Amino acid sequence: DQQVKQNSPSLSVQEGRISILNCDYTNSMFDYFLWYKKYPAEGPTFLISISSIKDKNEDGRFTVFLNKSAKHLSLHIVPSQPGDSAVYFCAANNSGNTPLVFGKGTRLSVIA
Amino acid sequence: DAGVTQSPTHLIKTRGQHVTLRCSPISGHKSVSWYQQVLGQGPQFIFQYYEKEERGRGNFPDRFSARQFPNYSSELNVNALLLGDSALYLCASSLAGGQFAEQFFGPGTRLTVL
Repeated sequence: DQQVKQNSPSLSVQEGRISILNCDYTNSMFDYFLWYKKYPAEGPTFLISISSIKDKNEDGRFTVFLNKSAKHLSLHIVPSQPGDSAVYFCAANNSGNTPLVFGKGTRLSVIA
Repeated sequence: DAGVTQSPTHLIKTRGQHVTLRCSPISGHKSVSWYQQVLGQGPQFIFQYYEKEERGRGNFPDRFSARQFPNYSSELNVNALLLGDSALYLCASSLAGGQFAEQFFGPGTRLTVL
């Protein structure tokens, strides 16, 4: 039973365009959501997070949107750059204090 | 400053053997968590240790065990290895226990069980 779902295994975007990565969750107890980026041979690196009291959080080129009623969040990267090519994981937990539950990841390829 | 370090980088074992993986947290971090990432899946929580005590355990069999040392480094032990234990094992450190949202991950140990 997957509590965090990333239904798109891969995504290809042209450099300069917007990348949108999607994530759905089923556990109503989740109230804190994170995105991690992972390059080959490296561990996941924290990218951006959002608490359920917000519906948007922005950090430079990265924006996360949260739709609590739909149990859906998305990560927008604008403009996309070749260096953004990586696997992106969505993760969730309860108040930041319980073990993270990860999705399967989406491989983003930004083509120059 | 050094990040989270893990050793070895790669490891090949055969079924039935046991394995020990090691992790050194970021200086000043007192909590270590272990995750298993099977190919095509996201990381799955195994254990968290804080101040040498287990503070959380995921849904893994008793073949998996861990400990934390006085210097806050940690070992993950897996006994009676199965083919399905082949995975990337990630260690993450944080300042204190329960701080899952402020974890920093190491590069992982790639375990292959033949």
